[in-house]
Amino acid sequence: DAGITQSPRYKITETGRQVTLMCHQTWSHSYMFWYRQDLGHGLRLIYYSAAADITDKGEVPDGYVVSRSKTENFPLTLESATRSQTSVYFCASSESVGSHEQYFGPGTRLTVT
Amino acid sequence: QKEVEQNSGPLSVPEGAIASLNCTYSDRGSQSFFWYRQYSGKSPELIMFIYSNGDKEDGRFTAQLNKASQYVSLLIRDSQPSDSATYLCAVGPRNTGFQKLVFGTGTRLLVSP
Repeated sequence: DAGITQSPRYKITETGRQVTLMCHQTWSHSYMFWYRQDLGHGLRLIYYSAAADITDKGEVPDGYVVSRSKTENFPLTLESATRSQTSVYFCASSESVGSHEQYFGPGTRLTVT
Repeated sequence: QKEVEQNSGPLSVPEGAIASLNCTYSDRGSQSFFWYRQYSGKSPELIMFIYSNGDKEDGRFTAQLNKASQYVSLLIRDSQPSDSATYLCAVGPRNTGFQKLVFGTGTRLLVSP
């Protein structure tokens, strides 16, 4: 049971480049989330999705784009990476409207130089 | 005032002692409360959730919720060095139709042998 996976696990990119972080879950969970975790800020929600083709902004969406064409995938794209987007990115999923328990992927450590 | 507050620690306890981790939240209408454990360099792992006032026990872990005072705590009995990690408190706000959680910045727990 693979659960929730993220790729790549580590990424170094240059300022201005586009980069996509992938998230895949095998549980058929309806909800998926993208967070970033930075020292002193904790986990902050970037975007979330309630189902395929339904996405909405979280607390810090600027500079990010998401899509969800299939229930199991929820990619996060940085359109033009900036140094302030250097962070650890976590994808999470949750089963249904009645369940608030979120389960996290292993994370992607992104460095923007 | 932050929405979810935790003492950053570190909280140091000797092996075998009870570790008590506390969390306060600002939204009186919050409905769901979670504790995540995060080892250094790893993703958050859900260890407890509680929805009703009172205590909820699971093995060595007890979650305590007091909605009137707006705090939730996590007790770890018989603490082990393997419990050394950062513990994140997460709160689900009043039902807005989606499952957004607000995370605290975490309390670092150190259990010494």
